Amino acid sequence: QSVLTQPPSVSGAPGQRVTISCTGSSSNIGAGYDVHWYQQLPGTAPKLLIYGNSNRPSGVPDRFSGSKSGTSASLAITGLQAEDEADYYCQSYDSSLSGSRVFGTGTKVTVL
Amino acid sequence: EVQLVESGGGLVQPGGSLRLSCAASGFTFSSYWMHWVRQAPGKGLVWVSRINSDGSSTSYADSVKGRFTISRDNAKNTLYLQMNSLRAEDTAVYYCARASDGWFDPWGQGTLVTVSS
Repeated sequence: QSVLTQPPSVSGAPGQRVTISCTGSSSNIGAGYDVHWYQQLPGTAPKLLIYGNSNRPSGVPDRFSGSKSGTSASLAITGLQAEDEADYYCQSYDSSLSGSRVFGTGTKVTVL
Repeated sequence: EVQLVESGGGLVQPGGSLRLSCAASGFTFSSYWMHWVRQAPGKGLVWVSRINSDGSSTSYADSVKGRFTISRDNAKNTLYLQMNSLRAEDTAVYYCARASDGWFDPWGQGTLVTVSS
């Protein structure tokens, strides 16, 4: 059902930089709709990480950054830390779907 | 503190019904659109339904349309999801979330719905 595609998993050593892609289409990201990112730690509810493509809510470390270009968006984590091990989801709006809100397939980040 | 607390989950037989509630506090509930999002065990997030601030407009995912009904009571600061004709594939943790210009923040802690005989 997800129309936003993410890699199932990414991994990196502490201190490294990892990126997560979120690939959409002309009816969602490519149409200019904003992308938002959520972090879901094990056993907890999702938490807003990035909103409006590249904005961080207060309290989110500046190690997390977002960008968008064309039909894709990316989340970057620099200076990877053990507590960043979690599932990450992108989310946007899709004009072709009932209700229109769509999530990405999700990416598991593993800190080696 | 802005907070959302879901309740009402549990075990229900296929074909049965359940009503979820989401109690809001710490913000002006009547000013915000609200959503339900679900997550099947070990799976990703799936948007389920939304309601506008005064309850006059609703929308549903195709998978629940005609079976689920979203509603709200602004006097009680509470969001609801009435789920009928439940199927095994409706088994999931159900989260309520506040909407702000397209993103969801905050989320409730979730309530587990298990559909099984």
